[in-house]
Amino acid sequence: EPEVTQTPSHQVTQMGQEVILRCVPISNHLYFYWYRQILGQKVEFLVSFYNNEISEKSEIFDDQFSVERPDGSNFTLKIRSTKLEDSAMYFCASGRGGLNPGELFFGEGSRLTVL
Amino acid sequence: GIQVEQSPPDLILQEGANSTLRCNFSDSVNNLQWFHQNPWGQLINLFYIPSGTKQNGRLSATTVATERYSLLYISSSQTTDSGVYFCAVERGYNFNKFYFGSGTKLNVKP
Repeated sequence: EPEVTQTPSHQVTQMGQEVILRCVPISNHLYFYWYRQILGQKVEFLVSFYNNEISEKSEIFDDQFSVERPDGSNFTLKIRSTKLEDSAMYFCASGRGGLNPGELFFGEGSRLTVL
Repeated sequence: GIQVEQSPPDLILQEGANSTLRCNFSDSVNNLQWFHQNPWGQLINLFYIPSGTKQNGRLSATTVATERYSLLYISSSQTTDSGVYFCAVERGYNFNKFYFGSGTKLNVKP
């Protein structure tokens, strides 16, 4: 069964360093998302991406964040200069498209720890 | 945004017991999903259920969209059912985001 894959599963970084989280969405999906979950809290939306551009972003998604689909298969989230409060689990998700994304399929998450 | 409220926030069960988890939402939605977050933090899709009833083994779910709630039933619970159960809803407009509830933390004791 097709699945969303994410790498790395866990990354530890120093404050101020750049981090890139990678995702391979399901191949025929058109909508791509990043969500994050700070430990013990609810999962919250960061950004949605469709047709090679950001379609919506949350207040959390400030200038330190960027997303890219560099080729036909990968979808990346870059944090330019990490802060302690960026420590969280980051989930990539994809949806088929059509009139609405319908069911979202989530990856297993990338745990980011900023020291 | 849409408010999503889940109850109860915490639930302790003895193995073999049944339970019902509830998800209320504040606005009309076109999409609704239930997830199980395991102890490793992974989000496991349980049901995509914008309306109606579905069953998968010991789990079943019902969404009554007109009354803005969904229920997740767990029967004959097992210790492996422990974790956090999240409900997430989406309005169904193009590109729109899913709103998650705060989850129900389930602990099934042997």
